[in-house]
Amino acid sequence: SAVISQKPSRDICQRGTSLTIQCQVDSQVTMMFWYRQQPGQSLTLIATANQGSEATYESGFVIDKFPISRPNLTFSTLTVSNMSPEDSSIYLCSVDRGRETQYFGPGTRLLVL
Amino acid sequence: ILNVEQSPQSLHVQEGDSTNFTCSFPSSNFYALHWYRWETAKSPEALFVMTLNGDEKKKGRISATLNTKEGYSYLYIKGSQPEDSATYLCAPSSNTGKLIFGQGTTLQVKP
Repeated sequence: SAVISQKPSRDICQRGTSLTIQCQVDSQVTMMFWYRQQPGQSLTLIATANQGSEATYESGFVIDKFPISRPNLTFSTLTVSNMSPEDSSIYLCSVDRGRETQYFGPGTRLLVL
Repeated sequence: ILNVEQSPQSLHVQEGDSTNFTCSFPSSNFYALHWYRWETAKSPEALFVMTLNGDEKKKGRISATLNTKEGYSYLYIKGSQPEDSATYLCAPSSNTGKLIFGQGTTLQVKP
């Protein structure tokens, strides 16, 4: 298993601002993932973050809107830029341990006014 | 993998009732099927990972089956307890390892 923490756990932000979400893992992992769940929707993969390379974004998500950093094997950040109310979601990071399963953080609950 | 469907969307049962949910997914390009339990304000918790057609897995009162040929999985809870109240997510994955989640089944167990 893996122990994953996220900061902040929740936030309320004004439209047009940006928020950076941190994800910390208790051990080194190769792959980290960022997901979001909009109200009433499925958990959706935003991007895959590998240490030492640029993140790989899924269709519908772009780096300018969701820049990701992966400075080492235990840490990653996701920034939600120029926020609008449509960005109100739960954002989760997860890690992959050999594709047997993914382990998730507790999530960041974001409300954009 | 697209169009992962879970049913029902929500379910209310009495303590002690047994219940089951369904996850339907396209059978092409299938690698594994993951079940998660997600309680409010907590991390999604991995329940099962299944890969083989006919797989059955059990964890306490919870069990799951997998049919990869017809593209469905069932999750069963025997003798539901209030602490089983959560959203249950299924997610098939392809050989890339990416998970495609359904919308989940939200279970409420009344004492």
